[in-house]
Amino acid sequence: GAVVSQHPSWVICKSGTSVKIECRSLDFQATTMFWYRQFPKQSLMLMATSNEGSKATYEQGVEKDKFLINHASLTLSTLTVTSAHPEDSSFYICSAPGQPNTGELFFGEGSRLTVL
Amino acid sequence: SQQGEEDPQALSIQEGENATMNCSYKTSINNLQWYRQNSGRGLVHLILIRSNEREKHSGRLRVTLDTSKKSSSLLITASRAADTASYFCATGLNNNDMRFGAGTRLTVKP
Repeated sequence: GAVVSQHPSWVICKSGTSVKIECRSLDFQATTMFWYRQFPKQSLMLMATSNEGSKATYEQGVEKDKFLINHASLTLSTLTVTSAHPEDSSFYICSAPGQPNTGELFFGEGSRLTVL
Repeated sequence: SQQGEEDPQALSIQEGENATMNCSYKTSINNLQWYRQNSGRGLVHLILIRSNEREKHSGRLRVTLDTSKKSSSLLITASRAADTASYFCATGLNNNDMRFGAGTRLTVKP
C-alpha cells in the first residue's frame, strides 16, 4: 500500500520561531497533498490543499502567511508554521490520495507541535 | 466546515461484543469512508462505500449507507481490545472536498 511519511513526529519550540513539517509520499507520486490540524479529542480540520508546482489552496480562516505550504516535488510537501505561538500548538497531519486515485487517502503519522 | 457527524461520541464495550457507530452527513457525496485513529497517530483507511452501494464488508467490519437518510453505520463484530481507537467517517465529492466527522472514541475492555 501507499506510504506517507511525516517528520518530525513531535517538536517543541519557543514562541516566535518557525517550524517546518515535512510530508513525503514514499512509494508513489502525489501531485496533491492535504494538511490538517487536530485538537485533542476533536476531528481533523482541513487547513489547505498542497499542489505540486503551484500555490496551495487554503481553507477559509487559515492564514496563508502563517502556515506556509510548499510542494516542490511530486513526493514532498512542507508546512512551515511561521512565528509560532502557544495557540498554534496542535497535532498536524498530512495525507495524499494514492495512485490510481481510488478515493482513499493515505495519512502520515502526524506531527505534534508544542510552542512554549 | 465539518460534514460528517458521528455518534455516539464515546462508546465503551467488553471484548467480544459488537460495536456500532453511526455517521450522518448533510450534502451530496460520491463516497463515504471510515478511518481509524489510534491515539496520537495518523489515520488508517478502513473501508470506502460508494454512493450507489448499500452495504460493504471487510473482515469484521460491516458498513451500511443510506443516502436517503444521509447516514452510514460502521459495525465491528467480535470486538477486541486492539480495536480501541477513534473512528471517523469522511464524506465528500472528491479528495479535495473530504470532510471528517468528530469521531467516535471506542474503548474495548479486555
